[in-house]
Amino acid sequence: TQLLEQSPQFLSIQEGENLTVYCNSSSVFSSLQWYRQEPGEGPVLLVTVVTGGEVKKLKRLTFQFGDARKDSSLHITAAQPGDTGLYLCAGERGKLIFGQGTELSVKP
Amino acid sequence: DTAVSQTPKYLVTQMGNDKSIKCEQNLGHDTMYWYKQDSKKFLKIMFSYNNKELIINETVPNRFSPKSPDKAHLNLHINSLELGDSAVYFCASSKDRIGEKLFFGSGTQLSVL
Repeated sequence: TQLLEQSPQFLSIQEGENLTVYCNSSSVFSSLQWYRQEPGEGPVLLVTVVTGGEVKKLKRLTFQFGDARKDSSLHITAAQPGDTGLYLCAGERGKLIFGQGTELSVKP
Repeated sequence: DTAVSQTPKYLVTQMGNDKSIKCEQNLGHDTMYWYKQDSKKFLKIMFSYNNKELIINETVPNRFSPKSPDKAHLNLHINSLELGDSAVYFCASSKDRIGEKLFFGSGTQLSVL
């Protein structure tokens, strides 16, 4: 059983569409990080959210930490082919625990 | 200069062999990690060292032995390789404590035949 459940696992959309990726748990986390990983490379940090209810924006990406600090979401507006990659959430509970990832494919 | 570099990038070997993966970071970080990413892309922590001291040791077979000669290096030695060890192994570092931003290497794809 995964401590952090990400959904969907796979997402294939057209350029210009919006999408949301969810990261859910029954456990409380001190903080939550979102990473993006491209093929053949290691994950790269996008954002860290710390406070319950916190919202952070990174250009067309909006990250939200749930009020109870058990879940998070990543919303991408007007997706572009360059957004293609594996998105990973990671919660901190003494160590970083990763979700199983969402593979996003944005077609031109 | 690459911040976290690991070698080799690809490692193909026979079952039963012993192999090592090397990792170096030039960020001046105190904490280093080894993660394993399986074929389903699930990333799981294996070990963590802080200033050469082992602080996290997950349920990993004792065929896997990390070694940190100094705080900039964390190597992973694997004895008696098994088919199930095939995966991508990532080295990472963070400034000091667990939970801070991780900087990952580009991974070592290990294939055990």
